Amino acid sequence: QKEVEQNSGPLSVPEGAIASLNCTYSDRVSQSFFWYRQYSGKSPELIMSIYSNGDKEDGRFTAQLNKASQYVSLLIRDSQPSDSATYLCASLGPGNTGKLIFGQGTTLQVKP
Amino acid sequence: GAVVSQHPSRVICKSGTSVKIECRSLDFQATTMFWYRQFPKQSLMLMATSNEGSKATYEQGVEKDKFLINHASLTLSTLTVTSAHPEDSSFYICSARVAGGNNEQFFGPGTRLTVL
Repeated sequence: QKEVEQNSGPLSVPEGAIASLNCTYSDRVSQSFFWYRQYSGKSPELIMSIYSNGDKEDGRFTAQLNKASQYVSLLIRDSQPSDSATYLCASLGPGNTGKLIFGQGTTLQVKP
Repeated sequence: GAVVSQHPSRVICKSGTSVKIECRSLDFQATTMFWYRQFPKQSLMLMATSNEGSKATYEQGVEKDKFLINHASLTLSTLTVTSAHPEDSSFYICSARVAGGNNEQFFGPGTRLTVL
């Protein structure tokens, strides 16, 4: 069973701080990883995708991938209360089905 | 770009009726669409994978005769919940994979189904 693991949280950070969200995966051959944000009662929204080792930055968000250690992380700089949501980490499943394997999500609370 | 719509956004129906949910990719072609269900405070649960022009592939434990999926074109997939019962009340969300893309999936806004 291929798995993606996240700490469910909640992770609480003060406004303006850096929020660090982490994710590990079990399938060593996974090549593609995604971070989604899901507000309560809403559907997931794609924030970042990352395919290569290293960092990928987009605005206040930085995704980090370390394939040797099998972890993916998402850093949110200058956290805002509007960033409060559940963050889902996903890896692309095996084969060519396109299915994503989701972690259970980490709830982030940014306190003003 | 990469916008996915769902209709209806909310539906309330009586037990025993059937409900159809549409999922459309508005500005891209999607050879593959996915249907998820999410109960309150729980994770997304993949129900089925829908490929244009072929039969859907259902996840283990999902009744294909109860959740009928049709992927008639590269921009439209439908999910029909047949003979709905209160336990089918949930948040149904579709996603679409961009044809020829990097396997990114874009989600529709979801359909909240309440079966009385």
